[in-house]
Amino acid sequence: AQSVTQPDIHITVSEGASLELRCNYSYGATPYLFWYVQSPGQGLQLLLKYFSGDTLVQGIKGFEAEFKRSQSSFNLRKPSVHWSDAAEYFCAVGAAGTASKLTFGTGTRLQVTL
Amino acid sequence: EPEVTQTPSHQVTQMGQEVILRCVPISNHLYFYWYRQILGQKVEFLVSFYNNEISEKSEIFDDQFSVERPDGSNFTLKIRSTKLEDSAMYFCASSRGPGAFFGQGTRLTVV
Repeated sequence: AQSVTQPDIHITVSEGASLELRCNYSYGATPYLFWYVQSPGQGLQLLLKYFSGDTLVQGIKGFEAEFKRSQSSFNLRKPSVHWSDAAEYFCAVGAAGTASKLTFGTGTRLQVTL
Repeated sequence: EPEVTQTPSHQVTQMGQEVILRCVPISNHLYFYWYRQILGQKVEFLVSFYNNEISEKSEIFDDQFSVERPDGSNFTLKIRSTKLEDSAMYFCASSRGPGAFFGQGTRLTVV
C-alpha cells in the first residue's frame, strides 16, 4: 500500500528565509509525486508534480522539489519565503502511468513571521 | 483559467437526511474524484469515476454513498442517510491524466 509521511506538522520561518518541507513516500513501484497547497478555507492547489526525467522539478509561486529515489523523498523548497506562502502544504503520491487516486500526507502548516 | 467548481460551499443537514454535493469538473477532463477532509485530518480518497462508472473506491465509500454524472457536465456525490461522522470538507477533483485539479470544497456539517 502506498503512504506518505510529512514529519513536520508545523514550521515557522521568517519572511525572506529559505524553506524546505520534507516528504517521504512508500510505494512499491515508480510513483507519481505531487505537492499541493491549501490556504485557509480554500481548496487544494497543485504546486508541482514529478512523473519522470529530471529529478528537480519547478512549480508555481517559485517552488521546486527534488525527487530522490534512494531516500524515497520528494522535498519541497523555496529560496525566499513570502508572507503569502503561509498555508498548509500536502505531499501526495499516485500510481505511475494512470490517473489513479492520490494518497496524501498529513500536511505541514507553514507560518511566516515578518 | 479553467477550474473545478463546487456547490454549495457550505451545507448543514440533520442526521439521517440525504445530501447531494455538486461539482462541475473542468470541461475536457475525463477522470473525476471525490475526496474528503475531516477537520484537522488529512485528505482521504473516496471514489474515482471514469467512462461513466466507478473505477476505484475506498473503504469509506460504503452503500450510503453514490456518485453520478447525470448530464455530461455535473458530477454529484450523494450521501443517503448522513451521520455525524460524515461532517467534513468534501473536495471534487478532475483530471485528464495523473495529478488532479481540486475544487474549493463543500463543508458539510451534520447536526
